[in-house]
Amino acid sequence: GAGVSQSPSNKVTEKGKDVELRCDPISGHTALYWYRQRLGQGLEFLIYFQGNSAPDKSGLPSDRFSAERTGESVSTLTIQRTQQEDSAVYLCASSSKDPGDLYGYTFGSGTRLTVV
Amino acid sequence: SQKIEQNSEALNIQEGKTATLTCNYTNYSPAYLQWYRQDPGRGPVFLLLIRENEKEKRKERLKVTFDTTLKQSLFHITASQPADSATYLCALDTGRRALTFGSGTRLQVQP
Repeated sequence: GAGVSQSPSNKVTEKGKDVELRCDPISGHTALYWYRQRLGQGLEFLIYFQGNSAPDKSGLPSDRFSAERTGESVSTLTIQRTQQEDSAVYLCASSSKDPGDLYGYTFGSGTRLTVV
Repeated sequence: SQKIEQNSEALNIQEGKTATLTCNYTNYSPAYLQWYRQDPGRGPVFLLLIRENEKEKRKERLKVTFDTTLKQSLFHITASQPADSATYLCALDTGRRALTFGSGTRLQVQP
């Protein structure tokens, strides 16, 4: 596609439920990133995928968070047993280089997650 | 500790003036630094990259400087317009394989 697509754009869930967020990167982009942005805050790194290499999961805040990526395409971020502190915008980005140094990242518009 | 600092207070300037935003960092030695623009409800958009061996980079009305001794980058928008109003984020290569972002500075250009 022309850009990075994220779905859903908004998600309201009850505390304790599991949620799955989806990211479709730009075709041909080998690197994919997930970040979290709380209201009025900066971007917090969560996880990074590059091709078939093992993902860098060092930013995942707890074992309730996990992410998968199928080859160099779609990625899903799963949050189990959601807590109110998980409420944030979850941003996905992709880049054609590792780590996107020459070209920058292309971000999606994010999924706004609200845990009630 | 390692930090990236951007002024959390909004910067308000008059149309036509030059806006200057600051990004300071400590305890990193980045090979490069990037600037992004973020509008409300949208993801950040890449603007410019500057490498550690470059002092200055320009793109249209944008200018970025990078002082590795001061550990500081300055981002300038000349002849600012109301349409430049947004939050501007700096991002650094911090040795991890994904960028580390500052929290951004909101710019408001008054007509």
